Amino acid sequence: AQKVTQAQTEISVVEKEDVTLDCVYETRDTTYYLFWYKQPPSGELVFLIRRNSFDEQNEISGRYSWNFQKSTSSFNFTITASQVVDSAVYFCALRGLQGSGNTGKLIFGQGTTLQVKP
Amino acid sequence: DAGITQSPRYKITETGRQVTLMCHQTWSHSYMFWYRQDLGHGLRLIYYSAAADITDKGEVPDGYVVSRSKTENFPLTLESATRSQTSVYFCASTPLTDFRTDTQYFGPGTRLTVL
Repeated sequence: AQKVTQAQTEISVVEKEDVTLDCVYETRDTTYYLFWYKQPPSGELVFLIRRNSFDEQNEISGRYSWNFQKSTSSFNFTITASQVVDSAVYFCALRGLQGSGNTGKLIFGQGTTLQVKP
Repeated sequence: DAGITQSPRYKITETGRQVTLMCHQTWSHSYMFWYRQDLGHGLRLIYYSAAADITDKGEVPDGYVVSRSKTENFPLTLESATRSQTSVYFCASTPLTDFRTDTQYFGPGTRLTVL
């Protein structure tokens, strides 16, 4: 079975603080893909990043960085120097090659609501 | 470049009524998906389609019907709406031509309230 757990339901920080959103996944697939999506208050889902299971390099994009660790089945997302515009719900998702039957289905975590206060 | 659109964006209906949510994509993506978003559950897959006339159940299909007569359209029908189907519904698509790089793109969502 495939599962994604985002244990943090809500996080509140003050602007300019760093914040890390946790994501833990379960899969028996040897090849899989992990995603992060952002859902701002306007409601749309915005794709942030895709990471392949065979590439454990961490990635940085501006104030965003992602730490992928297969040993702990985690794919954590850090926002450095948070801003009010970062306030949103963030979803981690998993797509397994075998478990999804090559259908592209995504398994989502429950989401973490991030509130950045000025 | 319209991408993927959903209609209506907001819908209020009553228990027992039939409701159809529309999804249209302009990319000719093979795969299309319907998810529902509920607090505490994230997004859960209702149905998906690999191509025209090919559909399959997802995690929470009960009470829903889909069809896909054309590649670009993937309507979702609630045959007899129940209050538990009050949710935000997202349609998504992906070409799935390269599993290593394909991304799933989402429509803007439809907020459905069943009274």
